[in-house]
Parts: sequence; structure tokens; C-alpha cells
Amino acid sequence: DTAVSQTPKYLVTQMGNDKSIKCEQNLGHDTMYWYKQDSKKFLKIMFSYNNKELIINETVPNRFSPKSPDKAHLNLHINSLELGDSAVYFCASSQFGTGGSGNTIYFGEGSWLTVV
Amino acid sequence: GDSVTQMEGPVTLSEEAFLTINCTYTATGYPSLFWYVQYPGEGLQLLLKATKADDKGSNKGFEATYRKETTSFHLEKGSVQVSDSAVYFCALSKGSSGGSNYKLTFGKGTLLTVNP
Repeated sequence: DTAVSQTPKYLVTQMGNDKSIKCEQNLGHDTMYWYKQDSKKFLKIMFSYNNKELIINETVPNRFSPKSPDKAHLNLHINSLELGDSAVYFCASSQFGTGGSGNTIYFGEGSWLTVV
Repeated sequence: GDSVTQMEGPVTLSEEAFLTINCTYTATGYPSLFWYVQYPGEGLQLLLKATKADDKGSNKGFEATYRKETTSFHLEKGSVQVSDSAVYFCALSKGSSGGSNYKLTFGKGTLLTVNP
């Protein structure tokens, strides 16, 4: 069974469109994340939710809006897509607890977004 | 702020060669340290981790030791295989005291190519 699954895996869309990427985890974790990987492979956190509450919101354009309907899901909606939004978006999850910073963060397989 | 610096790639080795990928970090407090691997076209997988000074993480023949005195977490493998070809990311995790906002801060990644 896939632990962190995200859909779609590939998405090609035109500038100006609105799109969503969905993420689900079946690990029972209480914390979920979105990371962005640019064309140079650099990974940077965008958002983090703990028990459906937004706890990390890095400097991201407000065209990006995460939504967490429950602990197992964290979706990413992007409005008015721009060429520079082309990247790989990774969903991830972890369990906040006594392990603290040592808790492993598990990643999905990524969603390859291309804006044309 | 916190940061991770990895040796720049690409690194090209012959099968059975010895591998070292250097990683140093800058962080206050006591971060946990991780190595993640990304195989071509795939997501990120945890390779190994260490949560306190002098801990050694190991997996699949790879090792890394958390050295607080040199703020380093170098990745090593005694004999690489063609199947080890991938991008390797060093990362640290730290959150605010008492908070749940743990996040991974990644290095820029090192592309390893192993030739037969």
C-alpha cells in the first residue's frame, strides 16, 4: 500500500489556469507538508499542517492555497498559474511526537507540473 | 537561518569505487540530520538519519556520522553499484521549542552516476 499518494503525477496546463494537486497519507500521521522542487532539484518547504492547522507558511505567493479537510489529506490549489510555477511538488507526512526533530518525514512520489 | 551545504556534483564513479559526499550544516540548537535519495523519475526516500551527536546512521551499505564538532554529516559507501546512481540530499530537521513546526531544510543535492 502506498503510504503517501498524490495525484496527478503529471500535469500540463496553460498559463492562467487554476489547478489542484491532491495528497493522502495512510500512515496515521498528524502532520503533512508540501515541498517544491525546482528545475535545479532544489527542495524547499511551502506549507505544513498539524492536525488540520496551518503551522508553517513559507514565503509563497497567495495564489497557492493549501487545504486540509482532515489529518489524512492535504490538497494544494494553485490559481492563475504562471510559467515559473513549473516544478515538481512533493507531499509529505510525519508524526509529531516525542521523537521531535528526529521523526522521519515520508514523501510522496511527486507531481510534475508544467505550465505552458 | 538554518542551512545545509553539500558538495557540488555531479559525481561520477566506477562500480566498486569508494563514495564520499560531504555535507555540513549551520543551525542553532540540536537538529536531526538526514540523507534522502531520489532515483530518476521517483520521489524522495529516506536513506539514513541521526538524531544526536556521534550517532551513526546506516542503511544499504551507506553510513554517515553526526559530528557536532565539525557540524558535518558526510555520506560514505565502501563499494558503489550502478543501482546507486541517484541524487542524494542532505537535510536537517529542527523546530521551535514546544512547537510542532518541524521541517526539513535541504542541501542542493548531489547527482551520483556510477558506471559499470
